[in-house]
Amino acid sequence: KQEVTQIPAALSVPEGENLVLNCSFTDSAIYNLQWFRQDPGKGLTSLLLIQSSQREQTSGRLNASLDKSSGRSTLYIAASQPGDSATYLCAVSRRGGSQGNLIFGKGTKLSVKP
Amino acid sequence: NAGVTQTPKFRILKIGQSMTLQCTQDMNHNYMYWYRQDPGMGLKLIYYSVGAGITDKGEVPNGYNVSRSTTEDFPLRLELAAPSQTSVYFCASSYSRFGDRGPNSPLHFGNGTRLTVT
Repeated sequence: KQEVTQIPAALSVPEGENLVLNCSFTDSAIYNLQWFRQDPGKGLTSLLLIQSSQREQTSGRLNASLDKSSGRSTLYIAASQPGDSATYLCAVSRRGGSQGNLIFGKGTKLSVKP
Repeated sequence: NAGVTQTPKFRILKIGQSMTLQCTQDMNHNYMYWYRQDPGMGLKLIYYSVGAGITDKGEVPNGYNVSRSTTEDFPLRLELAAPSQTSVYFCASSYSRFGDRGPNSPLHFGNGTRLTVT
């Protein structure tokens, strides 16, 4: 059974720091992995999607990497800002096709202090 | 574009009452999904639809029903509300199946419906 784990559950950093959020999954047979941001009381916003054949994706100050063989993904945030404060979730889609195979982690709650 | 719109934003139900959570999207997406999110937990899939007239169960379908009469709308029905259904419900859509190879499968989420059953 696919399980997705995100460590740490919470992280507090001062403004300007570079930081890394971690996501690990137990079954490497995935189609893709997606990172989301969730603000309090809001839905999820897609940040980056990495196909299983890709190693990384970049968008602005965000860089997501994928290592399928080790079952890991990282989300790197450069020069963090207070506006980056949110909960970050990763989700994987396992090969084999049905939507029941879409598995989310519990998220990392990030707080960036001014 | 409005994206994915959910109504209502909040609702309090008594045990045994019924209600329908509404979800509509204006992106012409084929795939639509309902998730629930409990505190400290990841999202769990309740039901999904691959197109008008087609629905299927996800991981936690018990106590819920769905219909998909149009591409735009995907309502979620609770027939006999129970305290265990207290949660935040999210509707999402995608152009193609999340997990397909290709660039068009990111999920787009609504802002959620916070439901309390007492």
